Amino acid sequence: DQQVKQNSPSLSVQEGRISILNCDYTNSMFDYFLWYKKYPAEGPTFLISISSIKDKNEDGRFTVFLNKSAKHLSLHIVPSQPGDSAVYFCAAIAYGGATNKLIFGTGTLLAVQP
Amino acid sequence: DTAVSQTPKYLVTQMGNDKSIKCEQNLGHDTMYWYKQDSKKFLKIMFSYNNKELIINETVPNRFSPKSPDKAHLNLHINSLELGDSAVYFCASSQRAWGIYEQYFGPGTRLTVT
Repeated sequence: DQQVKQNSPSLSVQEGRISILNCDYTNSMFDYFLWYKKYPAEGPTFLISISSIKDKNEDGRFTVFLNKSAKHLSLHIVPSQPGDSAVYFCAAIAYGGATNKLIFGTGTLLAVQP
Repeated sequence: DTAVSQTPKYLVTQMGNDKSIKCEQNLGHDTMYWYKQDSKKFLKIMFSYNNKELIINETVPNRFSPKSPDKAHLNLHINSLELGDSAVYFCASSQRAWGIYEQYFGPGTRLTVT
C-alpha cells in the first residue's frame, strides 16, 4: 500500500520557467512532509519541508504548498535552472508512534532544458 | 569530508553468497538507517538504529542482519543472497530518532546478484 504517490515519473521544463512537482498521500496522520533531491549515483539530499499545520513554506527558488483537505502537496521551483535536473522525492512522516519513519514516493525525474 | 559514507559503491556477487555493506557517519548523529531502492525506484526503510539499539525493523528477511558497533557505524550483512536482493542500498543518519530532524544519505551501494 503506497501511502505517498508521485504520479508523474518525469517532467521536462525550459530553463527560466516554473517547475511544479506534485505529490499525493493517503495517510491523514502524516505530520510533516519533505522533498529530497537526488542526482545520479548520489544519495538523496534534503531540499525543503513543511509542517502539516502550514500551507506554504518558501526557501529561495523553492516553495512547497500543502493542501491537507486534498492530501496533496507540490514543489514549485522558480526560475528553473539546468542544475535542478534531478529526481525529486516527496516524503512524509507521522510522529507520535514508537518510531518515526520517512515514507517516500517513487520520485519524479525533472529535466530542465537550457 | 563525506558526512555519510558507504563501501563498497558497487557489489556484484552470485546467488547464495554472503556479503556486507559498511556505513559510517561523521556527523555525530545518534540515529542511522538502511534503505532499499528497488527496480521500481521505490525507496523504503529497512532498519533504524538509535545509539546502537535497533528501533525499526521493517519485516525484512532474517537473511539481512544489521550491526551497529558504535553510533557512527551501521553495517548491513546479507546471507544467502537472492536475485531479488539486487537493488541500491542507502545508508542515512539523523541527529535524533524522534522529532523533526532531516536525514542525511550516503551515496548508495548498488548490489547486483547474478
